[in-house]
Amino acid sequence: DAGVIQSPRHEVTEMGQEVTLRCKPISGHDYLFWYRQTMMRGLELLIYFNNNVPIDDSGMPEDRFSAKMPNASFSTLKIQPSEPRDSAVYFCASSLRDRGFYEQFFGPGTRLTVL
Amino acid sequence: AQSVTQLGSHVSVSEGALVLLRCNYSSSVPPYLFWYVQYPNQGLQLLLKYTTGATLVKGINGFEAEFKKSETSFHLTKPSAHMSDAAEYFCAVSDHGRGGSNYKLTFGKGTLLTVNP
Repeated sequence: DAGVIQSPRHEVTEMGQEVTLRCKPISGHDYLFWYRQTMMRGLELLIYFNNNVPIDDSGMPEDRFSAKMPNASFSTLKIQPSEPRDSAVYFCASSLRDRGFYEQFFGPGTRLTVL
Repeated sequence: AQSVTQLGSHVSVSEGALVLLRCNYSSSVPPYLFWYVQYPNQGLQLLLKYTTGATLVKGINGFEAEFKKSETSFHLTKPSAHMSDAAEYFCAVSDHGRGGSNYKLTFGKGTLLTVNP
């Protein structure tokens, strides 16, 4: 099993540019989560999907952020336009129900730097 | 709403010494509790979890944690620290049984463990 795959691992961009982060969940998992990690705010849940449908996007900071999951094996998180305060590590995680609990498996993260 | 408090953002121990990382939670229902570990430049990896049953839970790499309902705590311990244990540790809680919401995790701020030779 390849685990959760994220790309790119590092992204450096300039303020105002569009940024797209990609995630491939573990095959067969039915939940997908996007998190953001910063020193100041720790680990924050941005949005999660169940069977490709967004369930809760209350953690998305503002309209500049959007996420999609067109199929069970792919999701994107887009920031347009990007701002320096968006600099963070973005994690994708996926899960599958196991006796009523959903253990989350994390990808390696994308380190985003907005100049 | 549930929350997690990790006491001590940074813990430093000597190799071979006891590791104790503290976690307290608040939840309106009996929670599911987890400890995750994050090595530098990597994602989070599950160390152990408590759902139901035995309150002392054993995980990978010699770690264990005990769920104490009366103290609303889930502290992580390891009898003897190894250099390879240096990492950041996160406690998390899920509020299961509430309309199927048991798939969301609320994380603590994390505790950075340093192991000195």
